[in-house]
Amino acid sequence: SQQGEEDPQALSIQEGENATMNCSYKTSINNLQWYRQNSGRGLVHLILIRSNEREKHSGRLRVTLDTSKKSSSLLITASRAADTASYFCATAGSGDYKLSFGAGTTVTVRA
Amino acid sequence: ETGVTQSPTHLIKTRGQQVTLRCSSQSGHNTVSWYQQALGQGPQFIFQYYREEENGRGNFPPRFSGLQFPNYSSELNVNALELDDSALYLCASSSNSHTEAFFGQGTRLTVV
Repeated sequence: SQQGEEDPQALSIQEGENATMNCSYKTSINNLQWYRQNSGRGLVHLILIRSNEREKHSGRLRVTLDTSKKSSSLLITASRAADTASYFCATAGSGDYKLSFGAGTTVTVRA
Repeated sequence: ETGVTQSPTHLIKTRGQQVTLRCSSQSGHNTVSWYQQALGQGPQFIFQYYREEENGRGNFPPRFSGLQFPNYSSELNVNALELDDSALYLCASSSNSHTEAFFGQGTRLTVV
């Protein structure tokens, strides 16, 4: 079973626009991570936000975390064709050893 | 490049056969996790190894087994393959359970 649920399932935007995707989860967490996957290959780690943090930035990425609502968002600003990929949120529980992934959001950036 | 390498990249097996997938973890990482990703789904946790000991297991049957070696590389073994085992198998290494994981490119297993 999946811990996280991403929304929307798919997103199509024009190059230069911003892309926002959301993740909801069910149980308490130690941290939440976002990953990118190109063409069904390996996952690339994008950003990790801990349960005591509310916002984090990395380059064109901005992640927020609301533990009261058990939700997170990933914003990609000024999108590029190379951002076309599937994006997954993954949660790590407090006493846990595994990452629990959602089903992902597929982002297509049109030139 | 994450420094995590998996072999082979693709594999076709017949139902009932056994398969071994291999993973070399990133230098300095003593924790290796294995995930199964079916088409269109997110990765599902199979198990994790820490310093050669199984450190946790997901909801997978005993025919999924693993090993971690002293150099922290790892193997995933699947016995009595079923058609539903067809998936991308991902290996991830990390320095501990609560940090970022570095994934290999995966092994695409097809069971026919």
